[in-house]
Amino acid sequence: AQSVTQPDIHITVSEGASLELRCNYSYGATPYLFWYVQSPGQGLQLLLKYFSGDTLVQGIKGFEAEFKRSQSSFNLRKPSVHWSDAAEYFCAVDMDSNYQLIWGAGTKLIIKP
Amino acid sequence: SQTIHQWPATLVQPVGSPLSLECTVEGTSNPNLYWYRQAAGRGLQLLFYSVGIGQISSEVPQNLSASRPQDRQFILSSKKLLLSDSGFYLCAWRPSDRDGSPLHFGNGTRLTVT
Repeated sequence: AQSVTQPDIHITVSEGASLELRCNYSYGATPYLFWYVQSPGQGLQLLLKYFSGDTLVQGIKGFEAEFKRSQSSFNLRKPSVHWSDAAEYFCAVDMDSNYQLIWGAGTKLIIKP
Repeated sequence: SQTIHQWPATLVQPVGSPLSLECTVEGTSNPNLYWYRQAAGRGLQLLFYSVGIGQISSEVPQNLSASRPQDRQFILSSKKLLLSDSGFYLCAWRPSDRDGSPLHFGNGTRLTVT
């Protein structure tokens, strides 16, 4: 079955430290891939997307993600986090299934001062 | 540019009362429209989606219904709310004519059923 896994429910990092959030998907072909961020009480904002081509994708707010076909992964990274990055992050995949995106369960990012 | 409006932002309703949440999209035509729910501390659950006026697909059996009376208007309703209907409701849209387009979300409605 098609699925998206974000294995980390919570991640705590110190302000200024680097960040990597993991996302793996299960699908036979290369899907379209997205990362979203949600601040408390807000809607989801698109950080970046992968369609094709260069496997390293740049997004907003200093985030980037790398698509690795061999690992079926699309991990989100940021070299140095800021306190304002504290939020929940969702990975989503478009596997061309019935107009929907398949969503990961989300990873809550906590920033230590 | 395209914008999505969702209201109200917060709502407190008693059990058994009706519900109507509204979502409108501006700056595009014939969008695909979606209603999601987030229970506290949980991920996104797709409730309904629509690919055209009057076309509604339901993903889970529940106490809610959706309607699309106009091209860019999507309404989530209930005749009688249950406590379990509490949550954060999100409306979203995406273009219907481009493969792999991302979803664009409204700011959400926090519904508390008391």
